[in-house]
Amino acid sequence: AQSVSQHNHHVILSEAASLELGCNYSYGGTVNLFWYVQYPGQHLQLLLKYFSGDPLVKGIKGFEAEFIKSKFSFNLRKPSVQWSDTAEYFCAVNRGPPLASGTYKYIFGTGTRLKVLA
Amino acid sequence: DGGITQSPKYLFRKEGQNVTLSCEQNLNHDAMYWYRQDPGQGLRLIYYSQIVNDFQKGDIAEGYSVSREKKESFPLTVTSAQKNPTAFYLCASSRGQGLQETQYFGPGTRLLVL
Repeated sequence: AQSVSQHNHHVILSEAASLELGCNYSYGGTVNLFWYVQYPGQHLQLLLKYFSGDPLVKGIKGFEAEFIKSKFSFNLRKPSVQWSDTAEYFCAVNRGPPLASGTYKYIFGTGTRLKVLA
Repeated sequence: DGGITQSPKYLFRKEGQNVTLSCEQNLNHDAMYWYRQDPGQGLRLIYYSQIVNDFQKGDIAEGYSVSREKKESFPLTVTSAQKNPTAFYLCASSRGQGLQETQYFGPGTRLLVL
């Protein structure tokens, strides 16, 4: 089945550690890729997105992600995490063909809960 | 401030009761969506709407209903037919329906069954 996989369900890091969260998808056609973050008690926010061009995408708060087409991956990275990065992170893929009415469907991964220890 | 509002933040449902979750956006977005978030399952699409007076079922529409009478509003009703309604419900919107549209999310409503 077509899907988006986030293999790390829970990650615990100390402050200043480097972060890499994996995201793999199984669609063969054109895809657009997103990382969203959900801080405790807050709504889902867009961290970064990839549509085309440079496969290394920089987002807010020092996050970046690299699209590797051959590996069907879009891993999220941050060189040095902070306590305030504690949140749940979701990878999402938007791809064709369109649904009824012409819209395209987002497929979300199951999320990764990151806890950063101060 | 432009954004998406959802109310209430917490909602309690009794057995056999229908409840309605509100979603309003002032982003002038055409498309709106409802997702259900369960622990370990990510977000699953319940319903979506591209224009006023039109909406489509998503992956898990059974036991839910929606309406889109105004561009700004996309309420979700959780009916008594939904046997496992306890979840976190997220409303989202996007400017259009293209492949490169970004979805923006509201703060969510947590529904609990009494």
